[in-house]
Amino acid sequence: AQKVTQAQTEISVVEKEDVTLDCVYETRDTTYYLFWYKQPPSGELVFLIRRNSFDEQNEISGRYSWNFQKSTSSFNFTITASQVVDSAVYFCALSEAGGTYKYIFGTGTRLKVLA
Amino acid sequence: DAGVTQSPTHLIKTRGQQVTLRCSPISGHKSVSWYQQVLGQGPQFIFQYYEKEERGRGNFPDRFSARQFPNYSSELNVNALLLGDSALYLCASSLPGQKTGNTIYFGEGSWLTVV
Repeated sequence: AQKVTQAQTEISVVEKEDVTLDCVYETRDTTYYLFWYKQPPSGELVFLIRRNSFDEQNEISGRYSWNFQKSTSSFNFTITASQVVDSAVYFCALSEAGGTYKYIFGTGTRLKVLA
Repeated sequence: DAGVTQSPTHLIKTRGQQVTLRCSPISGHKSVSWYQQVLGQGPQFIFQYYEKEERGRGNFPDRFSARQFPNYSSELNVNALLLGDSALYLCASSLPGQKTGNTIYFGEGSWLTVV
C-alpha cells in the first residue's frame, strides 16, 4: 500500500531563515511521481514541484530546492530565505505512474513564518 | 488563462439532503479528479474522470457519484448527507501525457458544511 508521512505538524521560523519540510513515502511501484503542494488559507492547493522516481537529480528553483533520496524513500523540500508569504500548509504527495491520477497525500506541515 | 473553477464556493446543507458540486477544468484539460479534505487532514481521492469515463474511484460509499460532460466539466453528487461529509471538496484537472508527469492542478474548492 502507498503511504506518505509528514512527521512535522507545525514549524515556526523567523523571516529569512531557511526551512526544510520532511516527507517519507512508501510504495511498491517502481515508477512513481512525488509532489509538493502549498495550501494557503484560501484553500486552493498550489502545485510547487514534481519529481520522477527515475530521476534522482536534485534541483533548485528560485528559493525552493528539494532532496530526493530513493534509498531512504525521502523527498524533502527546502525554502531558502523564508518570507511571511510562505506561511501556509505544505503537502507532500505520491502518485503512481500511469493513467490514474490518484494522489496519496501526507497530513501536511503548517509553516509559520514570523516577521 | 483561467484555472480550475468550482462552484459554489461555500454551502450549508442539512443532514439527509443532497448536494451537487460543479467544476470546470483548465482549458484543454480532459481529466478531472475530485478530492475530499477534512479539516486538519490531507486530501483524499474520490474519483477521476477522463474523456467522460470513470478511471479511478477511492474508498467512498455509493452515496458519492460523479460524471463528466462532453465539454470536460464535471459534477460531484453526494446523497443522504451526513455530518461527516462536512469538508472542503477539491476539483483538479490535468492534461494526461508524459510531459506533465501526472501533475494535477486544483481549484479553490467548495466548502460544504452539513448541519
